[in-house]
Amino acid sequence: DIVMTQSPDSLAVSLGERATINCKSSQSVLYSSNNKNYLAWYQQKPGQPPKLLIYWASTRESGVPDRFSGSGSGTDFTLTISSLQAGDVALYYCQQYYTTPKTFGQGTKLEIK
Amino acid sequence: EELLLESGGDLVQPGGSLRLSCAASGFTFSSYAMSWVRQAPGKGLEWVSGISGSGDSTYYAGSVKGRLTISRDNSKNTLFLQMNSLRAEDTAVYYCAKSAGGTNLPIDYWGQGTLVTVSS
Repeated sequence: DIVMTQSPDSLAVSLGERATINCKSSQSVLYSSNNKNYLAWYQQKPGQPPKLLIYWASTRESGVPDRFSGSGSGTDFTLTISSLQAGDVALYYCQQYYTTPKTFGQGTKLEIK
Repeated sequence: EELLLESGGDLVQPGGSLRLSCAASGFTFSSYAMSWVRQAPGKGLEWVSGISGSGDSTYYAGSVKGRLTISRDNSKNTLFLQMNSLRAEDTAVYYCAKSAGGTNLPIDYWGQGTLVTVSS
């Protein structure tokens, strides 16, 4: 199984500041035939199901604010929130969909400092 | 508008069985792969099982293989998860989740979840 490891486990950032969450996979999730990274980011607020933010490592889902961005390739990925807003307080998960089982990272809890 | 409505969650004794259902609407159900993802209380997300749009291909996490069975009825737009030989560690909210297309695409929509509690 591909192991997904996120860092940090929790993060406190001031409003308006940048938040950065990292995700590392135990093997590459880059599919060479189409040069796509099979990596997604989800946001989960308390009492709600997760919501897709980013797929193909850097493609923003429709309706997701452009302050959310994804980057990285191969085994190392980053989710960046450029200017933190109060409504961004949530758990964030990365997931690889390169192969089954489609493993998730352990999650990163984002709070306001 | 897409909608996934899970049902069937309950309190069950260890070793018992349960069948979860997920009624889908607002999209062409048979065209999309589906998954079950669970979340134990206060814990992270765990992908449990997936199925192709036709139902011909199924996939499982190692922790549930042989005990949980995913299936779908495309004529009724419904996804199922048959859960046998349940253990305490299966206690979780179970989410029905829709793929963006085939099995090698991300989950793009989630239901609200149904709670399964395994306890004596």
